[in-house]
Amino acid sequence: DGGITQSPKYLFRKEGQNVTLSCEQNLNHDAMYWYRQDPGQGLRLIYYSQIVNDFQKGDIAEGYSVSREKKESFPLTVTSAQKNPTAFYLCASRDGTALMNTEAFFGQGTRLTVV
Amino acid sequence: RKEVEQDPGPFNVPEGATVAFNCTYSNSASQSFFWYRQDCRKEPKLLMSVYSSGNEDGRFTAQLNRASQYISLLIRDSKLSDSATYLCVVNAQGAQKLVFGQGTRLTINP
Repeated sequence: DGGITQSPKYLFRKEGQNVTLSCEQNLNHDAMYWYRQDPGQGLRLIYYSQIVNDFQKGDIAEGYSVSREKKESFPLTVTSAQKNPTAFYLCASRDGTALMNTEAFFGQGTRLTVV
Repeated sequence: RKEVEQDPGPFNVPEGATVAFNCTYSNSASQSFFWYRQDCRKEPKLLMSVYSSGNEDGRFTAQLNRASQYISLLIRDSKLSDSATYLCVVNAQGAQKLVFGQGTRLTINP
């Protein structure tokens, strides 16, 4: 089945540690996204990538880093510089070849908790 | 001003009622519009795209008003299973950046 997979589902991190969240898709989509969602809030864009080896900062990129070495993969690293990393992280992908109205597909998310 | 704004609610309506949400956007170059549904502690899923002429899918109707820069979602004959958070999503022509509103929380009461 085609889809987008995030792992792990739950992640606990000690303060001062870097952690990497995995996002893999087999939909052959060019565009991939990382969002953060806090309780009762909407989705805020962290980073997005339109093509391999290229990515752009979203609205809240500070304290995060990404890479896009393969089309299928867009891992997100939450660094120790991120002041309040506890949140629900969602990865999405989208067909970048269509002009309009192509939906984004989401992974099931990773819940990160700093302990 | 936020790029995409929604009334966060919560909206509490009785089963069978009709409910409508609006979503405003600030970028006049926006070309693609969507409504997503998100259940508690789950990922968002596409409910429907919004087309210029408006579109309907069963009990759901989406409208776009470019002049006033808003989109709307109408739910008729609401069901208990419609209880969720509804997110509007906008992106500009030629851009891959998708911007989400904060979501409108809807609860349908028996």
